[in-house]
Amino acid sequence: EAGVAQSPRYKIIEKRQSVAFWCNPISGHATLYWYQQILGQGPKLLIQFQNNGVVDDSQLPKDRFSAERLKGVDSTLKIQPAKLEDSAVYLCASSMSAGVIETQYFGPGTRLLVL
Amino acid sequence: AQTVTQSQPEMSVQEAETVTLSCTYDTSESDYYLFWYKQPPSRQMILVIRQEAYKQQNATENRFSVNFQKAAKSFSLKISDSQLGDAAMYFCAYNNAGNMLTFGGGTRLMVKP
Repeated sequence: EAGVAQSPRYKIIEKRQSVAFWCNPISGHATLYWYQQILGQGPKLLIQFQNNGVVDDSQLPKDRFSAERLKGVDSTLKIQPAKLEDSAVYLCASSMSAGVIETQYFGPGTRLLVL
Repeated sequence: AQTVTQSQPEMSVQEAETVTLSCTYDTSESDYYLFWYKQPPSRQMILVIRQEAYKQQNATENRFSVNFQKAAKSFSLKISDSQLGDAAMYFCAYNNAGNMLTFGGGTRLMVKP
């Protein structure tokens, strides 16, 4: 069974530029999550999708971050414009459903460096 | 809001010995899951073990076991017969029915040959 796929693995941009990350969850997983992990810290949830609907985006900085999962499968996370403090690893995870407590499976992450 | 605390930023263990990583959490919920994830330098989060709060029996997975103390809100991870490949960041995480994972700050485990 293929795991959660993410691309790109690394990205370096200058502040005020925009960037987009892509995630493809495990086949059949209805729930998809985006986390931000700043160096030296645990991951923090940015947004949670159930199929193509948003379940929780309370910690997403909506003035610069956006995310979509239009067909309920893969998802993109965008930052526009990027700030220095956005430098982090962006992790995507998926689980079978959100109705019950499910184990989340993580992708390899995208490491973003904003200069 | 739920919080997860890992009080040991770094731990060190000799190869083949046993080490215990600590985790405490705060919640008012009665139904939840707890997890330990391993994050090697590659950054991929790998599930090590999980514990359902309604189960009294401590979870075990080969060399990994937990000591779950629900009343004390404590969830420690014991790694037996430590191997060089166990060296990584370990994160304790809490999950309730909303399915939002709350992570602790992590413990870096070093394994000495």
